Amino acid sequence: DVKVTQSSRYLVKRTGEKVFLECVQDMDHENMFWYRQDPGLGLRLIYFSYDVKMKEKGDIPEGYSVSREKKERFSLILESASTNQTSMYLCASSLRQVNTEAFFGQGTRLTVV
Amino acid sequence: AQTVTQSQPEMSVQEAETVTLSCTYDTSESDYYLFWYKQPPSRQMILVIRQEAYKQQNATENRFSVNFQKAAKSFSLKISDSQLGDAAMYFCACPGTGNQFYFGTGTSLTVIP
Repeated sequence: DVKVTQSSRYLVKRTGEKVFLECVQDMDHENMFWYRQDPGLGLRLIYFSYDVKMKEKGDIPEGYSVSREKKERFSLILESASTNQTSMYLCASSLRQVNTEAFFGQGTRLTVV
Repeated sequence: AQTVTQSQPEMSVQEAETVTLSCTYDTSESDYYLFWYKQPPSRQMILVIRQEAYKQQNATENRFSVNFQKAAKSFSLKISDSQLGDAAMYFCACPGTGNQFYFGTGTSLTVIP
């Protein structure tokens, strides 16, 4: 059974903290993604990675960075958390070939206070 | 850039009835798939159905089917014999360049007993 696992379902952090959201997949997928989900805005791509140590900016990268040191793990980093980063964060992975589906983690609901 | 539009933020359907969720997209890709995902209250995104754009035949998965109009760039989801477990957010998705996935803003489906 394929699996994408996010390290936390709920997180509460203080403004200015450095926040790490971790995602691990066990499907040997090349591509990994971080999305942010907000009501009325759908899923917006923050960053994606198509290989180890490779990363590409998505539509809303400001305030975020990522790290992919191993194929199975993709981390999203909030360098200095702000209240406008309170949101649901979804990690996904897929095979490299075009037109394959994405598999998702269960989401992390982050609240920045 | 690819765009995906879901014009119905909320829909409701009586149990056992049929409902259609709309989606339009725009892509520069010549060969692509389209996807419908379901996100129940558990937040786990689940693939419902996919459509290969080069196939004229509409995809069907049990009670779920699509109406794919390639020229109009329309990709609607029909749910027949609606069940209480169908209540969820539904997202339409279209692959983009670089193996990205673009998602619509979602349609919240309520099933009325």
